[in-house]
Amino acid sequence: DQQVKQNSPSLSVQEGRISILNCDYTNSMFDYFLWYKKYPAEGPTFLISISSIKDKNEDGRFTVFLNKSAKHLSLHIVPSQPGDSAVYFCAASAEEYGNKLVFGAGTILRVKS
Amino acid sequence: DVKVTQSSRYLVKRTGEKVFLECVQDMDHENMFWYRQDPGLGLRLIYFSYDVKMKEKGDIPEGYSVSREKKERFSLILESASTNQTSMYLCASSPTGKGNQPQHFGDGTRLSIL
Repeated sequence: DQQVKQNSPSLSVQEGRISILNCDYTNSMFDYFLWYKKYPAEGPTFLISISSIKDKNEDGRFTVFLNKSAKHLSLHIVPSQPGDSAVYFCAASAEEYGNKLVFGAGTILRVKS
Repeated sequence: DVKVTQSSRYLVKRTGEKVFLECVQDMDHENMFWYRQDPGLGLRLIYFSYDVKMKEKGDIPEGYSVSREKKERFSLILESASTNQTSMYLCASSPTGKGNQPQHFGDGTRLSIL
């Protein structure tokens, strides 16, 4: 039973345009959400996070939006750059469960120049 | 910068062997984690540890054990390796168990069981 779902295995975007990566979750106990980025042959690196008490968090070109009623979050990258090409993982945690991270399957983003 | 170091980038072992994967972090973090990453499944938690000599099962602990004798080192053990344990293994650490403190990952060990 996948509690965190990334339904798009891949996404292709032109350089300079917006990239939107989506993530859905089923467990209403989740209170923290994170996005990680992973290049081939490297470990995931933390990108941005959001608490369940907020609906938006922004860090430079990266913005995460949370819609609690829809149990949906999205990561916006504006403008997209070729160096953003990577696998993006959505993750969620709940204090109730000791803050263990539950990951989605990942979305491969390709930014074309 | 936090450094999480995994002892091997690539490892090839045979079915039935006992396999040790080592992970060391240099930031005095309390928590350490072992995941495996498989295509289409994302990262799945195998075991984690909140303190020295403490361990907790994750979502897929079967066929694995762990050891944490020192705060900085967390070892994953495949008791009797099987081909379905061929995977990318990732170690991570975090300062505490709070959700707003991201985990920091090593570069992974790609393990092949023949």
